[in-house]
Amino acid sequence: GENVEQHPSTLSVQEGDSAVIKCTYSDSASNYFPWYKQELGKRPQLIIDIRSNVGEKKDQRIAVTLNKTAKHFSLHITETQPEDSAVYFCAARPGASGTYKYIFGTGTRLKVLA
Amino acid sequence: EPEVTQTPSHQVTQMGQEVILRCVPISNHLYFYWYRQILGQKVEFLVSFYNNEISEKSEIFDDQFSVERPDGSNFTLKIRSTKLEDSAMYFCASRLGQGAYEQYFGPGTRLTVT
Repeated sequence: GENVEQHPSTLSVQEGDSAVIKCTYSDSASNYFPWYKQELGKRPQLIIDIRSNVGEKKDQRIAVTLNKTAKHFSLHITETQPEDSAVYFCAARPGASGTYKYIFGTGTRLKVLA
Repeated sequence: EPEVTQTPSHQVTQMGQEVILRCVPISNHLYFYWYRQILGQKVEFLVSFYNNEISEKSEIFDDQFSVERPDGSNFTLKIRSTKLEDSAMYFCASRLGQGAYEQYFGPGTRLTVT
């Protein structure tokens, strides 16, 4: 069935270091991969996304890479700052979903230590 | 910037009671979704709604659940005869449609069934 695995579940980095969160998906027809950031008590916020016809996308300190052959995609945050501390969720849109539902990963709690 | 809103932020109900969770999607969006997140678990798709009817639903979305768009702005999730295991955070999301893949999430309603 449709599944998205996410690792690690928690990640602690020193301020200024890079953080990498990885996800794998099961449906090879998945074609859209968003990343959401959720701060405590707040809504999930879309921070970056990538479509299956692209291998990499970057937005300032945040980048996402996609390897369709291996069915995995990763979030890279460079020069981390304390305000990057949050839970990050990856998701995939299964190819068979006409309504663009998302299958989510289990989330990664990122802590940036000052 | 327009946002999805949800009410109430927290709902406590007794087992067996009915609850209605309310959402106001972004005004020009055409697709609406409900997701839930049981504490400590991943965000799970429940249902998608388009053109005043359910377009896709998950196995979780059984006869206990129903959705409705009673007017031009609200989108509701009704849970009949709540069970303890319905306790979760329920997120509403909306999507513009017409080739736009991004879903925008509301802040969630925390449902506690006692």
